[in-house]
Amino acid sequence: GENVEQHPSTLSVQEGDSAVIKCTYSDSASNYFPWYKQELGKRPQLIIDIRSNVGEKKDQRIAVTLNKTAKHFSLHITETQPEDSAVYFCAALWEGSARQLTFGSGTQLTVLP
Amino acid sequence: DVKVTQSSRYLVKRTGEKVFLECVQDMDHENMFWYRQDPGLGLRLIYFSYDVKMKEKGDIPEGYSVSREKKERFSLILESASTNQTSMYLCASSFSGRGGYTFGSGTRLTVV
Repeated sequence: GENVEQHPSTLSVQEGDSAVIKCTYSDSASNYFPWYKQELGKRPQLIIDIRSNVGEKKDQRIAVTLNKTAKHFSLHITETQPEDSAVYFCAALWEGSARQLTFGSGTQLTVLP
Repeated sequence: DVKVTQSSRYLVKRTGEKVFLECVQDMDHENMFWYRQDPGLGLRLIYFSYDVKMKEKGDIPEGYSVSREKKERFSLILESASTNQTSMYLCASSFSGRGGYTFGSGTRLTVV
């Protein structure tokens, strides 16, 4: 199976600064890595994902990087805004099952005005 | 635009009651999952299903069962509700091989 560790558990940044959340995974056979954002009282929503044949992917202010050798991937948010405040979850899909995501424990991001 | 629907947003039940949480998806996904979410514990997998009438235990199946009689519907059953089952319950679904989940809005269950 797969194990995903996520750090930090809480992160506070000033509005306009960058935020970085890191995850490590255990199984080199994992090949899909999504990130979910969960605002207070709402469902987790997919914000960006990356597959193992790509090293980096960007979508406006958010980007994800993947280092397959080191087995870690990171979420980068630039020019943070108060509406970025939420819990962020990383996840990994193990190629062996191709069905079930293993989630990290989550990071509470707070953007201070 | 809602694609995964959970029947109740808030639910209050008494200890010992049998509780049904319903989840319906309209995306023809093969895979469906039930998670519970508690502060500081992240998302914990209770049960999942890859096909009709198929079910597999997740990490914390004790005290729960599931039913999947139709592809679009996956029910979570608390056979005899207890106070330690007070939690937020999230349903999700996905296509095999594509990875990404779509989550429902969640059911906040309180057992008194």
